Amino acid sequence: DTEVTQTPKHLVMGMTNKKSLKCEQHMGHRAMYWYKQKAKKPPELMFVYSYEKLSINESVPSRFSPECPNSSLLNLHLHALQPEDSALYLCASSRGRSAGTAIEGGELFFGEGSRLTVL
Amino acid sequence: GQQVMQIPQYQHVQEGEDFTTYCNSSTTLSNIQWYKQRPGGHPVFLIQLVKSGEVKKQKRLTFQFGEAKKNSSLHITATQTTDVGTYFCAGRVYYNFNKFYFGSGTKLNVKP
Repeated sequence: DTEVTQTPKHLVMGMTNKKSLKCEQHMGHRAMYWYKQKAKKPPELMFVYSYEKLSINESVPSRFSPECPNSSLLNLHLHALQPEDSALYLCASSRGRSAGTAIEGGELFFGEGSRLTVL
Repeated sequence: GQQVMQIPQYQHVQEGEDFTTYCNSSTTLSNIQWYKQRPGGHPVFLIQLVKSGEVKKQKRLTFQFGEAKKNSSLHITATQTTDVGTYFCAGRVYYNFNKFYFGSGTKLNVKP
């Protein structure tokens, strides 16, 4: 069982809809990530929050808006998406830098993902 | 920019045969991790390699990190049907701690 919980598991939305993906972890991790994964492709980094501050934005279109309300929660707000945005959206967490040096930074714990279909 | 290449893209083996996937980075890595993603599932961490020339074993799986910390391999001895999935390497660089550079993945299919 994964210790990173994502909801919803499946989401179908129209191009004019506004929806949100949610992610929660209780491992005390201080880095949280959003990845997008298309079929037969590796996870593609979208955003990283470190200590609840946005530290990496991989030039993601503004129709995706991340939010980190606290150290356990991560949201991804979706608005005016395109059909090509249909994908598996994975949330992940890791210990973050304060746990030690960069070498000890720890692995990514992924949630089961939210399968998004944009009509 | 930073890239991690992974080969082969696909591998079909008979159960009991060995399997190897290779990753090559364009720059020196601080460490490299390996993940397995089962069909319909999410990536699951397997192992992290940190030291130059490091070799780690997990039962039938052997992981290596090159001397120059630019390449890595995962070798599975005597594959089983439970090994089916896509294996990704993910490298970290010294100057961007929170970013993992994923290889393109190797999809392993094992015929019983």
